[in-house]
Amino acid sequence: DSGVTQTPKHLITATGQRVTLRCSPRSGDLSVYWYQQSLDQGLQFLIQYYNGEERAKGNILERFSAQQFPDLHSELNLSSLELGDSALYFCASSPAPRDKGTEAFFGQGTRLTVV
Amino acid sequence: DAKTTQPNSMESNEEEPVHLPCNHSTISGTDYIHWYRQLPSQGPEYVIHGLTSNVNNRMASLAIAEDRKSSTLILHRATLRDAAVYYCILRDFTNNLFFGTGTRLTVIP
Repeated sequence: DSGVTQTPKHLITATGQRVTLRCSPRSGDLSVYWYQQSLDQGLQFLIQYYNGEERAKGNILERFSAQQFPDLHSELNLSSLELGDSALYFCASSPAPRDKGTEAFFGQGTRLTVV
Repeated sequence: DAKTTQPNSMESNEEEPVHLPCNHSTISGTDYIHWYRQLPSQGPEYVIHGLTSNVNNRMASLAIAEDRKSSTLILHRATLRDAAVYYCILRDFTNNLFFGTGTRLTVIP
């Protein structure tokens, strides 16, 4: 158990819909990262938050957005869903954004299926 | 994001040592070398990291070349539970982890 909790574990929704994925980081971790893993793309970095502020953006679509709340949990919002958005979405957390020597802890992921 | 190169796949017999290579010729002086692995149907899991010196922990050892352009993850005795995709990652000033395609390790009983 990494200490990172993601909900829900599975989500099935229709094209055009909007969903919210939730992540609770490890206790004390201030940084949260979101990743997308689809079969043909590997693990793609989407976005990073630190203590409520956006720190870095990766390959995140404009239809996707995220935020980190004062209690440090984070949500990833996916809207106008397309079939190609079907993937595993992982959240990770780590203690601080500038210490490159620390490890990141990953949740078990949310499997999103768009039909 | 700095790039790493790993073999797509490797095989090992159970209870034998495994050496997983990684090339990172464009590494900068402040990049840390991280290794993660992903077991089937699970999120990535931290294995080990280092900067310049070789590192050991309960899971593995990390051997870093003197010029830091390559590194090797060493599993001392492979078990069936070590079958996974192993990712070698350079953690740069952005502190993000950019995953490549990794090495799929198959452990043969």
